[in-house]
Amino acid sequence: AQTVTQSQPEMSVQEAETVTLSCTYDTSESDYYLFWYKQPPSRQMILVIRQEAYKQQNATENRFSVNFQKAAKSFSLKISDSQLGDAAMYFCAYSRLSGGSRLTFGEGTQLTVNP
Amino acid sequence: NAGVTQTPKFQVLKTGQSMTLQCAQDMNHEYMSWYRQDPGMGLRLIHYSVGAGITDQGEVPNGYNVSRSTTEDFPLRLLSAAPSQTSVYFCASRAGYSNQPQHFGDGTRLSIL
Repeated sequence: AQTVTQSQPEMSVQEAETVTLSCTYDTSESDYYLFWYKQPPSRQMILVIRQEAYKQQNATENRFSVNFQKAAKSFSLKISDSQLGDAAMYFCAYSRLSGGSRLTFGEGTQLTVNP
Repeated sequence: NAGVTQTPKFQVLKTGQSMTLQCAQDMNHEYMSWYRQDPGMGLRLIHYSVGAGITDQGEVPNGYNVSRSTTEDFPLRLLSAAPSQTSVYFCASRAGYSNQPQHFGDGTRLSIL
């Protein structure tokens, strides 16, 4: 079974600074997808960024980028120029290519942005 | 666009009661799923469906029942509510390709007394 681990329950960053959230996963599959979701206090689940395992290039979305290390099974999220609106719970998630909608989530990292 | 709509947003039940959490999506998505979110544990998959008439169990299916009679709707039934089922429940849907992101509803906060 796949597992996803986020070893940082809480992180904090100063506004305008850069922060990196860690995620590791365990799988025997060679092709899969990885996602970062953001959950603000409103409870909505918002997709931040996604990575396809067969792509070597790291995904980027504006201020958000990932460091995908397939051999190490690591998938960290870097947030540049942090903004107050980035404060939220962040979840790393893994999805197989098959098996319907089976997303496996990590425990989450609570990010605080200090003004 | 409505996206994924969950009702109700909040519910309090007594132990032993039954209820149905409703989920509807208007994006013609094949895949739908139910997750529960508990503190410190992330989201865990309860049941999922790959299309009308097809459902399967996820990681924590005990005490829950689902059916998928239409593409749009995927209700979650609690057969006999227990305090351990106190949680926030999310419904999600996605299009047919696995690399597509899941679209989540706003969640239902359920308390079992």
